[in-house]
Amino acid sequence: DAGVIQSPRHEVTEMGQEVTLRCKPISGHDYLFWYRQTMMRGLELLIYFNNNVPIDDSGMPEDRFSAKMPNASFSTLKIQPSEPRDSAVYFCGVGRDNEQFFGPGTRLTVL
Amino acid sequence: QKEVEQDPGPLSVPEGAIVSLNCTYSNSAFQYFMWYRQYSRKGPELLMYTYSSGNKEDGRFTAQVDKSSKYISLFIRDSQPSDSATYLCALRKGGSEKLVFGKGTKLTVNP
Repeated sequence: DAGVIQSPRHEVTEMGQEVTLRCKPISGHDYLFWYRQTMMRGLELLIYFNNNVPIDDSGMPEDRFSAKMPNASFSTLKIQPSEPRDSAVYFCGVGRDNEQFFGPGTRLTVL
Repeated sequence: QKEVEQDPGPLSVPEGAIVSLNCTYSNSAFQYFMWYRQYSRKGPELLMYTYSSGNKEDGRFTAQVDKSSKYISLFIRDSQPSDSATYLCALRKGGSEKLVFGKGTKLTVNP
């Protein structure tokens, strides 16, 4: 999984609760990405960072979603409040040398 | 019209067959072309990365890009049961790190 640790691997929560997904890239990289995968919409970019700075957040669905990257080894994606339509697999990925590599994903279920 | 179109399949072939997977795209701004393989409940794994039109070969895999037709292909020779997975094409425009994915084609190789 390209040296990316995501936690938790599975999350089940109730509508209205805050959800925080975490990503720890192990190896060196230039970019960090958050993607979301659903059956209906496939794999979609939410946001990406370059050197810890957000570059493109046009894929973030709405204000309920926020992402931070306080340092090169850690990023969070927060959903507050969560809704059932947020149920999906969320992937963190890293990019270097024009290639992108994905972590194992967090499977989120919002009841 | 979606930016990237990919036949979702499913595609079922016997072991040893040649597999052809395809994507079409509408925006000529796409300059970088990738194929990812995704096993069930895993993150996407980068298989092939190409920049220019033409063919690129890596073992049993060949990626083909035809920019004039806006058509990309992945060929798998001597397919194996371990190739059973979902294959996603991913495209990127120059000046951006955002990947735009096809919906994926589910492939099953039967022993």
